[in-house]
Amino acid sequence: TQLLEQSPQFLSIQEGENLTVYCNSSSVFSSLQWYRQEPGEGPVLLVTVVTGGEVKKLKRLTFQFGDARKDSSLHITAAQPGDTGLYLCAGLYNFNKFYFGSGTKLNVKP
Amino acid sequence: GAGVSQTPSNKVTEKGKYVELRCDPISGHTALYWYRQSLGQGPEFLIYFQGTGAADDSGLPNDRFFAVRPEGSVSTLKIQRTERGDSAVYLCASSWLTGGEQYFGPGTRLTVT
Repeated sequence: TQLLEQSPQFLSIQEGENLTVYCNSSSVFSSLQWYRQEPGEGPVLLVTVVTGGEVKKLKRLTFQFGDARKDSSLHITAAQPGDTGLYLCAGLYNFNKFYFGSGTKLNVKP
Repeated sequence: GAGVSQTPSNKVTEKGKYVELRCDPISGHTALYWYRQSLGQGPEFLIYFQGTGAADDSGLPNDRFFAVRPEGSVSTLKIQRTERGDSAVYLCASSWLTGGEQYFGPGTRLTVT
């Protein structure tokens, strides 16, 4: 059973389009992290959100943590081919253990 | 400074054999995590260390899996009597504090034939 559900699983879009990836759970997390992973490499942290309702922006990426700290979203504006990769959310449970979602595989076509 | 390193990068072994996977964390990081990632899935938590002790090993699938971190730095994940279902990428991550920003190694791809 996956503690964190991500949707969509796959996303193939044209350069310049916008997209949103969702991360949902029935559990409350101390914080939530978003990672990007490329083939053959480990995940790389993009952002950590801690407070319910928090919104963080990283250039063209906007991250939101739900008010109840059970869900999160990642919005990318004007996607570029360099954004291609596997996007993972990870919730911090009991302040010590991370549970990862199943990932969203994004392909941005030039 | 160096990031997290893992050796070997690839390991092919026969069913029933014993394997050891090594993780060198970033110097000074007290927390160390092991994950397993199957194709098309997110990383699955196995075990984490705070210093030398295994603080939570609830993710280890069964007693064939064991991990150590004797001096609070390098960690070794040990798998006995490997099975084909153990084939996956094993990722290691370290952080300054438990629950903090994790820095991942490139992983060890284990294939059991």
